[in-house]
Amino acid sequence: AQSVTQLGSHVSVSEGALVLLRCNYSSSVPPYLFWYVQYPNQGLQLLLKYTSAATLVKGINGFEAEFKKSETSFHLTKPSAHMSDAAEYFCAVSDPGGYQKVTFGIGTKLQVIP
Amino acid sequence: DAGVTQSPTHLIKTRGQQVTLRCSPKSGHDTVSWYQQALGQGPQFIFQYYEEEERQRGNFPDRFSGHQFPNYSSELNVNALLLGDSALYLCASSFRTGSPDTQYFGPGTRLTVL
Repeated sequence: AQSVTQLGSHVSVSEGALVLLRCNYSSSVPPYLFWYVQYPNQGLQLLLKYTSAATLVKGINGFEAEFKKSETSFHLTKPSAHMSDAAEYFCAVSDPGGYQKVTFGIGTKLQVIP
Repeated sequence: DAGVTQSPTHLIKTRGQQVTLRCSPKSGHDTVSWYQQALGQGPQFIFQYYEEEERQRGNFPDRFSGHQFPNYSSELNVNALLLGDSALYLCASSFRTGSPDTQYFGPGTRLTVL
């Protein structure tokens, strides 16, 4: 069974500081990995995805993530936090041979302090 | 182009009642997946419909059932509601042959069971 673990349910950063949200995965096969963002009272928006191509993945809004097989990690980063980045972020995994079932982590709520 | 739409936006029911939630997929999509997101949790996969049949199911009891119509829209039915069914219910649509990154999420239906 596939799973993801997000370290830190709440993360606070100052505006302009580095954002680092941690995600480790468990999968018996090379996975597809995703980061989604959810703003209050809204659905999920895909930030970026890893599908076995380049290990450094660039997404929307200046976010990027690096797939590290040796560490089974897929951490999300952004060099400089903006107030508009305050939201909840979900790491997710899917079996590329599966039927598009996506397994989500518990989420990390990002607070940006002015 | 309308994205994924869900109705109603909010719903309040009492224990033991039945509820039906509706989802219209993004134009051109033929597959619909349903997720339950409890407060403070990540979304949990309920099931997926393609060609009007349930193709994959998560760890949810038979009280949760669904349907897909010829126009690809879908319904989620929950019988004998429990307090624990209170959650945000998310619908996601995609192409059947696409990779999971093609999933688009709707804004969700907030169900409250009293």
